[in-house]
This record gives sequence, structure tokens and C-alpha cells, in this order.
Amino acid sequence: KQEVTQIPAALSVPEGENLVLNCSFTDSAIYNLQWFRQDPGKGLTSLLLIQSSQREQTSGRLNASLDKSSGRSTLYIAASQPGDSATYLCAVHNYGQNFVFGPGTRLSVLP
Amino acid sequence: DTEVTQTPKHLVMGMTNKKSLKCEQHMGHRAMYWYKQKAKKPPELMFVYSYEKLSINESVPSRFSPECPNSSLLNLHLHALQPEDSALYLCASSQDPAQNTEAFFGQGTRLTVV
Repeated sequence: KQEVTQIPAALSVPEGENLVLNCSFTDSAIYNLQWFRQDPGKGLTSLLLIQSSQREQTSGRLNASLDKSSGRSTLYIAASQPGDSATYLCAVHNYGQNFVFGPGTRLSVLP
Repeated sequence: DTEVTQTPKHLVMGMTNKKSLKCEQHMGHRAMYWYKQKAKKPPELMFVYSYEKLSINESVPSRFSPECPNSSLLNLHLHALQPEDSALYLCASSQDPAQNTEAFFGQGTRLTVV
């Protein structure tokens, strides 16, 4: 059964810092991995999708990498801003048709 | 249009009530999902519909009854819920459940059972 973990559970940084969020998964039989952002009480906003054959995807200040063989992905956020404060979730799309989520990293960017 | 629309946004219901949650997408996606999310926890899969047929039921109690009337709509019928069922219910869709596709989520329905 696929298990997804995320480190750290919570992170507080001053504005302007670059930061890295980590995601690990146990079963490499995946179609893709997605990073989502969730604001309190809201739905999930897709940030980046990395297909299993890809190593990296970039969107603006965000860069996500995938090492399928080691079961790891990282989300790099450059020049963090207070508006980046949210919970960041990674989800793997299993061959078993479903998306399995990690527990999330709660990010707080201080002005 | 990459939107998944869920209604209502908020719902308060008693334990003897019957209510329904609705989800709609017009992206031509053939997979639709219901997830349940408790506070400060990740979403947990409840049901998957693939080409309008129920393909995954994650041992969800029968007081939750999903329905997929057509390829654009997904309902979740609720009956005799318990207070512990209070949560954010999220609907998602993807182009195909068994291929490399992106998932799109709605904004959720915040359900409170009193």
C-alpha cells in the first residue's frame, strides 16, 4: 500500500528566503506526482504536475523535482512571500487509479 | 475551463436529515472522486467513478451513497450521519483514472453534523 510522507510538518521562515519542502513515497509504480496548495478551509489548488518520466517542472518561483527510483520529490520555493503561507500537499497518482496524499507541510512566511 | 464546482459550500444537517452534495465538471474528464478531509489532516479517498461506474469504494459506511448520473456530475447522498462525519468533502476529476493525468479539485463542501 502506497504511503506518502512529508518533511517538515511545519516551517516558519522570514520573507525572502528560499525553501525546500520534501515528499517521500514507498511505491514507485506511479503515473505522476502533483504538488498542491491549500489555504485554511479551502480546496486544493494544483501547483505543479510531474510525470513519472520527468525529473523536474517549473512554474514561476516554484520548482519541483522527482526521483522516482528513490521515491522522493522536492518543492523549491524561491524568494518566499507572505502570500505563500499555506499548507502544501504532495499527492502521487497510483497505478491503482487513486491519488494518495502526504500529510502536508504548513508553511508560514513572516513579513 | 479547468474548474470543478461543488455545491453547497457549507451545509449544516441533523443526524436524521437527508442531504446531497453536488459536484460538476465540464472538462470531459471520465474519472471523478470524492475525498473526505478532517481538520489538519490530508484528504482521504472515499470513492472513485471511472467512466460513470463505481470503481473504488474505500470501505465507506453506507450512510454515504455516491451517484454519477452522467459524465459531468457526481453526487454524494447523505443520510443518518454522525457528528464525526463533520469534515470538508472534496470532489476531484481527472481525464482518466488509469493514465497519467492531472487531478483538479473543487473548493469543497464544509459539512457540519449536529
